[in-house]
Amino acid sequence: DGGITQSPKYLFRKEGQNVTLSCEQNLNHDAMYWYRQDPGQGLRLIYYSQIVNDFQKGDIAEGYSVSREKKESFPLTVTSAQKNPTAFYLCASSPSTGAYEQYFGPGTRLTVT
Amino acid sequence: DAKTTQPNSMESNEEEPVHLPCNHSTISGTDYIHWYRQLPSQGPEYVIHGLTSNVNNRMASLAIAEDRKSSTLILHRATLRDAAVYYCILIALYNFNKFYFGSGTKLNVKP
Repeated sequence: DGGITQSPKYLFRKEGQNVTLSCEQNLNHDAMYWYRQDPGQGLRLIYYSQIVNDFQKGDIAEGYSVSREKKESFPLTVTSAQKNPTAFYLCASSPSTGAYEQYFGPGTRLTVT
Repeated sequence: DAKTTQPNSMESNEEEPVHLPCNHSTISGTDYIHWYRQLPSQGPEYVIHGLTSNVNNRMASLAIAEDRKSSTLILHRATLRDAAVYYCILIALYNFNKFYFGSGTKLNVKP
């Protein structure tokens, strides 16, 4: 089955710790994205990558970092510099840039206390 | 970037048609109109998209106004599984997939 996997589904961390969220896709898509969603809100773009070894900041990149060493993988690190890290994090991919649809993973709910 | 306006919530009865409106008065000529929906605690799911002409697929229909300043997502027979938040999004053809998700419309389907 082709798709996007995110792990874990729920993640708990203490304040001040960095945490890395996993995102893997086997759709052979070039572009990948990370979004953050707060309760009752829409999605906000954190980072996106159009090709391996290249990525761009989205609207709320501060306190986050990413890497794109493989086409299939786009991990997101939530650093201790992120002021309000508790949120629902969604990863997505698309065949290429342009008007193509994005395919979303099931999300990771991160709680930092 | 062009933005969209949607009602916060709508209600429908099961097996009746639902018309979800979206206003996008600042749409540009190269903006595609996309609709996604999100079930609770899941990632959004693509529903349909279009540019100028009305579009149909197995999930829904998209009716686009002649001036393209508004569009309507039509679910022909709502089911309980259609209860979700529906997002109307404008995507510029050459803007590298920068999707702007607003708050969307929460659709409640009554049995």
